[in-house]
Amino acid sequence: EPEVTQTPSHQVTQMGQEVILRCVPISNHLYFYWYRQILGQKVEFLVSFYNNEISEKSEIFDDQFSVERPDGSNFTLKIRSTKLEDSAMYFCARYRAHGADTQYFGPGTRLTVL
Amino acid sequence: LAKTTQPISMDSYEGQEVNITCSHNNIATNDYITWYQQFPSQGPRFIIQGYKTKVTNEVASLFIPADRKSSTLSLPRVSLSDTAVYYCLVGQTGANNLFFGTGTRLTVIP
Repeated sequence: EPEVTQTPSHQVTQMGQEVILRCVPISNHLYFYWYRQILGQKVEFLVSFYNNEISEKSEIFDDQFSVERPDGSNFTLKIRSTKLEDSAMYFCARYRAHGADTQYFGPGTRLTVL
Repeated sequence: LAKTTQPISMDSYEGQEVNITCSHNNIATNDYITWYQQFPSQGPRFIIQGYKTKVTNEVASLFIPADRKSSTLSLPRVSLSDTAVYYCLVGQTGANNLFFGTGTRLTVIP
């Protein structure tokens, strides 16, 4: 049973274009995260979002990136002007403390920048 | 943040038990140990979490010695579908940002 769903599963865009990646949690939660994984590399933390505000962000999360929860449900990651090096898998995750105290990841969006 | 060290890769035959050990010498008193599995082009999938001694679920077992400086993920009777990368993470709470290492690439051979 997925904890979160992500759309689209694959996004192809031209360099310089804006992209919006979406994450839809199965139920209401306060903690959300975005991670990315460049092909063949580690999963890297981008940003955490708590109670509708950014709580922490990594060095990767520069001014080209933004996150928001526009309708109280969907959680989006926007890249304003994509670069070739933004090509990666982007994963949304949510935190749940019931059972195991850990994060549960979505299936990811593969972003390809041409 | 406790650093973790795992073997880069392991091979195993189908049907065998696989044990993947993770070293975390600087683990803090309040840290949990969590293991994830990742298939290509998919998100990391939670496998098991523990604090001390032994934890078992329907997928795996996690053995943690008394000093907690290491942990061993045990996968019973692996199948080809267990071929994946396995990550060991250490931290106080899952609410904090997760830092993934390079993990252990397990290849199950028929």
